[in-house]
Amino acid sequence: QKEVEQNSGPLSVPEGAIASLNCTYSDRGSQSFFWYRQYSGKSPELIMFIYSNGDKEDGRFTAQLNKASQYVSLLIRDSQPSDSATYLCALLADRGSTLGRLYFGRGTQLTVWP
Amino acid sequence: DTGVSQDPRHKITKRGQNVTFRCDPISEHNRLYWYRQTLGQGPEFLTYFQNEAQLEKSRLLSDRFSAERPKGSFSTLEIQRTEQGDSAMYLCASSLWGSNTGELFFGEGSRLTVL
Repeated sequence: QKEVEQNSGPLSVPEGAIASLNCTYSDRGSQSFFWYRQYSGKSPELIMFIYSNGDKEDGRFTAQLNKASQYVSLLIRDSQPSDSATYLCALLADRGSTLGRLYFGRGTQLTVWP
Repeated sequence: DTGVSQDPRHKITKRGQNVTFRCDPISEHNRLYWYRQTLGQGPEFLTYFQNEAQLEKSRLLSDRFSAERPKGSFSTLEIQRTEQGDSAMYLCASSLWGSNTGELFFGEGSRLTVL
C-alpha cells in the first residue's frame, strides 16, 4: 500500500506571504508526484507535477522533491486570497499491479487572508 | 466542452435503492478512473479501466459496487442497495496513458446523498 501523508493543517497565511505545503510518502520507488488544487465543492485540478529531485518552478508555484527523504513540497509565493483551497498531494504508481493508479493524501486546507 | 463530464451532478436517494452514475471522459483518453471523496479526505481509489478492460478494483469496494466501460468510451458506476455510508462525492477522471505527464483530468463529480 502506498501511503501519502500531508500535514493536515489548516494552514492560514496573510496575503503576500509564502505558503509551504508538505507531503511525505512511503514507497521509496515512486517516481512521479503531483499537486492538485481543489476548491470547495469542486473537483481537483492539476497545479504541478515533478519527477526529478530538486525544484521545479511555475510562476508563483515551486514544487520540491527529495527522493532520499521521501518528501514533496509545494511553495506558493506571494499568496493571494484566490489561492485559498485544499491542496492534494498525489503519487503515481509507476510499476507493478497498481501501475497507473494515483494515490492521494488527505489534503491540506489553505486560507490566505487579506 | 471537451472535458470530463459526469451525470447526474447530484443524487438524493433512500437507503436500499440502486443508483447509477455516468462518466464521459475526454474523447482521446484511454484510461478512466473512479474515485470517491468524503469531506476532509482525499480522493479514494475505486476502480479504473484501460479502454474497455477493468484493470483493478479496490479491495475496499463491496460487491454492491460495479463499474463498466462497455465500448471503451463512457463508463457507468452502479451502487446497489445503497447505505448511508455511501454518501460521498464520486469523481471520474480520465488520462492518456503513455503521455509524458500521467495527469488525470477530473470531472465535476456526482454527489450522492443517501437518506
